[in-house]
Amino acid sequence: AQSVTQPDIHITVSEGASLELRCNYSYGATPYLFWYVQSPGQGLQLLLKYFSGDTLVQGIKGFEAEFKRSQSSFNLRKPSVHWSDAAEYFCAVGVGSNTGNQFYFGTGTSLTVIP
Amino acid sequence: KAGVTQTPRYLIKTRGQQVTLSCSPISGHRSVSWYQQTPGQGLQFLFEYFSETQRNKGNFPGRFSGRQFSNSRSEMNVSTLELGDSALYLCASSARFRGMGYETQYFGPGTRLLVL
Repeated sequence: AQSVTQPDIHITVSEGASLELRCNYSYGATPYLFWYVQSPGQGLQLLLKYFSGDTLVQGIKGFEAEFKRSQSSFNLRKPSVHWSDAAEYFCAVGVGSNTGNQFYFGTGTSLTVIP
Repeated sequence: KAGVTQTPRYLIKTRGQQVTLSCSPISGHRSVSWYQQTPGQGLQFLFEYFSETQRNKGNFPGRFSGRQFSNSRSEMNVSTLELGDSALYLCASSARFRGMGYETQYFGPGTRLLVL
């Protein structure tokens, strides 16, 4: 069965520090991988996605993620965190077929940014 | 393009009532999926509609149902509400014009339902 694991429930970083959020997945075929961000009371905003090709993916707001097949990981990074990055981050695997699409979400990582 | 819109944004109901939530996808998108988000269970897939047909369904009781109209707008209905149905209900749309394979999902702001 497909699954997505985000091992860090909560992370606190100082503004200006670098950030890495971990994501591991379990899926038999080539995965479609996504990172979304959710601010309090809001929906999910797509940060970036990986379908194929270059394993280092650039997203919005200065985020990037690297797909590592050997480690079944898709970690999200940002070199310098801003206070506005405080939010909940979700990793997801997309599964498509003739009969339908489905997302499997991780449980999320809550990011706190301290001044 | 306008994003995914959901109405209403907030809703308060009492146990036993029923509720209908609405979702308008991004223009040109034909697939709509629904998710329930709660602090305890996280994000859980409810169902996906494409071309007015339910294509995929998550593990939820029959009290949860949906439909999609010819203009791709979708509604979700929950009957006989329970306290545990209190959640943020998110709608996502995707183009899915290729007919198979995965398309990126774009989410609406959600409808927050409180059941008293």
